Amino acid sequence: KNEVEQSPQNLTAQEGEFITINCSYSVGISALHWLQQHPGGGIVSLFMLSSGKKKHGRLIATINIQEKHSSLHITASHPRDSAVYICARGLGGGADGLTFGKGTHLIIQP
Amino acid sequence: DTEVTQTPKHLVMGMTNKKSLKCEQHMGHRAMYWYKQKAKKPPELMFVYSYEKLSINESVPSRFSPECPNSSLLNLHLHALQPEDSALYLCASSGAGTGFPYEQYFGPGTRLTVT
Repeated sequence: KNEVEQSPQNLTAQEGEFITINCSYSVGISALHWLQQHPGGGIVSLFMLSSGKKKHGRLIATINIQEKHSSLHITASHPRDSAVYICARGLGGGADGLTFGKGTHLIIQP
Repeated sequence: DTEVTQTPKHLVMGMTNKKSLKCEQHMGHRAMYWYKQKAKKPPELMFVYSYEKLSINESVPSRFSPECPNSSLLNLHLHALQPEDSALYLCASSGAGTGFPYEQYFGPGTRLTVT
């Protein structure tokens, strides 16, 4: 069983829709990371969360430490948001590799 | 400069070849990482270097040999690879102080094909 579970695995929506991607994890974390990967491979870090909520533009990430659950929301979705969104957990502080979920493949149709 | 660079972008090698992947960052990060990503799968951690010392090796076969010659450079030496080692190899860097999580910055990856 993967320590980081994401849902849904695939999501197709219309431009303008509100998008939610969920992530749950089974062990303790130092931080929960949300990342974006476009076709071609490049990975961009979107958020790193230890508690509460963060917002950047149209993206919002929340985390509930007690429930071991995090969500990534996209408001007013746009076709350029089409990508794979991955949540990943860091185990400890400092130089610690990430354990990734399987990713959510998001397609926003015009 | 918030960029992690990787060379080459693409590499095709035979099973008897020796090649190296290179990663460089100039953000002053003291932690560097190698990840392997197979098609349609999430990345998997291979190695972590902290302050130029290998701190994590995720049971990677010895045909992969990492090297961190200085705080800005990370190499991955490849020898006698198998076709199943074909994948995207991603380098990342981050801060490295203990007791505090750090955001990771990823390079664009090297797409490796073993024939």
